[in-house]
Amino acid sequence: NAGVMQNPRHLVRRRGQEARLRCSPMKGHSHVYWYRQLPEEGLKFMVYLQKENIIDESGMPKERFSAEFPKEGPSILRIQQVVRGDSAAYFCASSHGSGRAAAYNEQFFGPGTRLTVL
Amino acid sequence: SQQGEEDPQALSIQEGENATMNCSYKTSINNLQWYRQNSGRGLVHLILIRSNEREKHSGRLRVTLDTSKKSSSLLITASRAADTASYFCATPETSGSRLTFGEGTQLTVNP
Repeated sequence: NAGVMQNPRHLVRRRGQEARLRCSPMKGHSHVYWYRQLPEEGLKFMVYLQKENIIDESGMPKERFSAEFPKEGPSILRIQQVVRGDSAAYFCASSHGSGRAAAYNEQFFGPGTRLTVL
Repeated sequence: SQQGEEDPQALSIQEGENATMNCSYKTSINNLQWYRQNSGRGLVHLILIRSNEREKHSGRLRVTLDTSKKSSSLLITASRAADTASYFCATPETSGSRLTFGEGTQLTVNP
């Protein structure tokens, strides 16, 4: 049973370009979360999605950032017109939508995408 | 202090010693989770302790939870060099919602 998969693992962009980060949740998981980690800091919540729905995007900047989790395919975190301050590790996590895992919000994390903006 | 704040920020010990890390939080929780992150890698879920539990063991890990003090501790016994990593506590805000992470404790185990 494959875990949460993220790609690419490393992404380099120049200022002003777009970054697209992909996340495939664990099999059977219908909830996806994106977190950002700046160097030497903990993870900060960005957005929580279920299939075709954004449930909570309160941690995501209003400008330039968007996320989706379509009916088919991976979840996408999109950053338009990247700036140097967007350089960070972006982690995706998934959880099951029901049962014990949902009740306790057990989340399983992918390996992350490290974005570097030159 | 912010939700899920770890203490100390950094800890350096010798192999074989025990390592204790503490976490404090502010709001009511139904569980608290500990994660490990090796340098430049993703997070590994270590253990979840429910709010009605006081102590939980998993191998060399022992986690305690004191809901009256809103604090938790993670004890790693007989540490190994491979335990070198950052350790984070995390609390869910509501069921099915975000996890709030602390800033982490950087543990270094010297061989």
